[in-house]
Amino acid sequence: EAGVAQSPRYKIIEKRQSVAFWCNPISGHATLYWYQQILGQGPKLLIQFQNNGVVDDSQLPKDRFSAERLKGVDSTLKIQPAKLEDSAVYLCASSPSSYNEQFFGPGTRLTVL
Amino acid sequence: GENVEQHPSTLSVQEGDSAVIKCTYSDSASNYFPWYKQELGKRPQLIIDIRSNVGEKKDQRIAVTLNKTAKHFSLHITETQPEDSAVYFCAASWTGNQFYFGTGTSLTVIP
Repeated sequence: EAGVAQSPRYKIIEKRQSVAFWCNPISGHATLYWYQQILGQGPKLLIQFQNNGVVDDSQLPKDRFSAERLKGVDSTLKIQPAKLEDSAVYLCASSPSSYNEQFFGPGTRLTVL
Repeated sequence: GENVEQHPSTLSVQEGDSAVIKCTYSDSASNYFPWYKQELGKRPQLIIDIRSNVGEKKDQRIAVTLNKTAKHFSLHITETQPEDSAVYFCAASWTGNQFYFGTGTSLTVIP
């Protein structure tokens, strides 16, 4: 089966600019996750969707980050405006349901200058 | 929120020896504990998981143990091989939601 797709793979922006990431989960997977992984640290869950509803966004910096999952399939994560500390790899993952194995995408490496 | 601590941060073992990585969690409501392996430059992949109604789970050379009273769980890798070299992350979750990851353990298996 096809894996989780993410784009772009790399992005370099200046602080205060905006950026958006796209994720296409594995077909049929109801649960979708966005993680932020700073170099040398574990993934930090930003937001979790069940179909197109938000299950958990307690660690999402809502003043600058937003995410949506239209029609319960693809998802976008946006940062507006970006800060230097947002430099990280943004990982998208999907699973058939919340108790199942999460399948991760290749990630988007964001560098904020 | 939940706090997951992971030790050690780095671990070197000789090929064939065992490796043990330990994690502690703070929220007694957490009931699902997966372990992920991340090779350099690659995405994390699930290697084993355990739910709070089970004390131990084994899959070939990999095992996970859970002590709910002490709120800690451990990953055991026996007969280590060079391809086991990677960063390992533990995580804690409540009913499969609200995942909190540890800081990772870099395992090096020396041939």
